[in-house]
Amino acid sequence: GESVGLHLPTLSVQEGDNSIINCAYSNSASDYFIWYKQESGKGPQFIIDIRSNMDKRQGQRVTVLLNKTVKHLSLQIAATQPGDSAVYFCAESSMEYGNKLVFGAGTILRVKS
Amino acid sequence: KAGVTQTPRYLIKTRGQQVTLSCSPISGHRSVSWYQQTPGQGLQFLFEYFSETQRNKGNFPGRFSGRQFSNSRSEMNVSTLELGDSALYLCASSVQSGANVLTFGAGSRLTVL
Repeated sequence: GESVGLHLPTLSVQEGDNSIINCAYSNSASDYFIWYKQESGKGPQFIIDIRSNMDKRQGQRVTVLLNKTVKHLSLQIAATQPGDSAVYFCAESSMEYGNKLVFGAGTILRVKS
Repeated sequence: KAGVTQTPRYLIKTRGQQVTLSCSPISGHRSVSWYQQTPGQGLQFLFEYFSETQRNKGNFPGRFSGRQFSNSRSEMNVSTLELGDSALYLCASSVQSGANVLTFGAGSRLTVL
């Protein structure tokens, strides 16, 4: 079946440290990837995306790395803040999936002050 | 600019009943997608509508249906509710159909008793 990512692991980091959230995707034909953040009681919020013709993309305090060889995606958050505490989802898209987003299970990020 | 609005935010139904959820996309967005979110299955794609046409459909039974109106607002309906339908139903809109950033609403929390 369609599946992306891990089964809700938890990452705990100290405020100010860098965070790295990993995601393994299953479809080698996927050509679009995206990260979302979901806080309690809210819908997922877009963080950053990347297309398969790139291997790195940077945003404000965030960087997404794509390794197509091993089908791995990561989200790096610099100088993690308490407000970064949330569940983070990666998602992939491909023509095989009808270009819809297929989400991973998510990773819980806890920031300790 | 208003975000994606979903109503109702919370509702409780009993088994066998039906429910209709509403979604108003961001102004100018013509694509609306629906996702079901549960702790066990994560975010699962239900369907996508673009210009009043269903463009894509996930692996859900026929009890789940949707539609889109000429003003891009969308509704989804679940008939003959089952306990397992308890979930957060998320609507997301985008300018166009296909692989691109989806903007999510806060969701409709459905509890089936």
